[in-house]
Amino acid sequence: GAVVSQHPSWVICKSGTSVKIECRSLDFQATTMFWYRQFPKQSLMLMATSNEGSKATYEQGVEKDKFLINHASLTLSTLTVTSAHPEDSSFYICSARDTGTETQYFGPGTRLLVL
Amino acid sequence: QQQVKQSPQSLIVQKGGISIINCAYENTAFDYFPWYQQFPGKGPALLIAIRPDVSEKKEGRFTISFNKSAKQFSLHIMDSQPGDSATYFCAASYNYGQNFVFGPGTRLSVLP
Repeated sequence: GAVVSQHPSWVICKSGTSVKIECRSLDFQATTMFWYRQFPKQSLMLMATSNEGSKATYEQGVEKDKFLINHASLTLSTLTVTSAHPEDSSFYICSARDTGTETQYFGPGTRLLVL
Repeated sequence: QQQVKQSPQSLIVQKGGISIINCAYENTAFDYFPWYQQFPGKGPALLIAIRPDVSEKKEGRFTISFNKSAKQFSLHIMDSQPGDSATYFCAASYNYGQNFVFGPGTRLSVLP
């Protein structure tokens, strides 16, 4: 099946710093990628939809100035958590939609801990 | 209307038994129904998916049953194994996958 990678897999940072998470589709092109946030024992919460070459669409309640998304190519989207605070600690998961099949394939997730 | 309901919240099954997870939706525009399996600390992995033009799809021990008139679909795991212990999410989408909604998840534990 299609493979989506995320980097880093986990990160610990100090409060106030910015953290960038990369999401790559390894063997297919993805014009659309999605960023989710997941709290322990809960379902995935869609944060934003990232479209290649255009601005991301953010879900209600998600601060676009805090969670910067860039989708510069058909295989790469990045999420930058700016001025991170402890409440931003979470499991962030990206997915990429295979343009040919409309199926979403998920990355392995990035665990962020803000001290 | 955008919600997908999922039950049960948690499920305990003996090894070799059948695990059944149910989902229901309201929006008749949904036309793609995938199931994802997620292990702790990992991203969800696509397990099996169905479209509303068929009532059942089987892949190995996993079967999706789809009831279009009732707007319900379910995942059956035959001969459940301890390695199947994970959280399972149903999902629904339309508009060529642009609108994608997850159910709240079911935590399955298969006892050895």
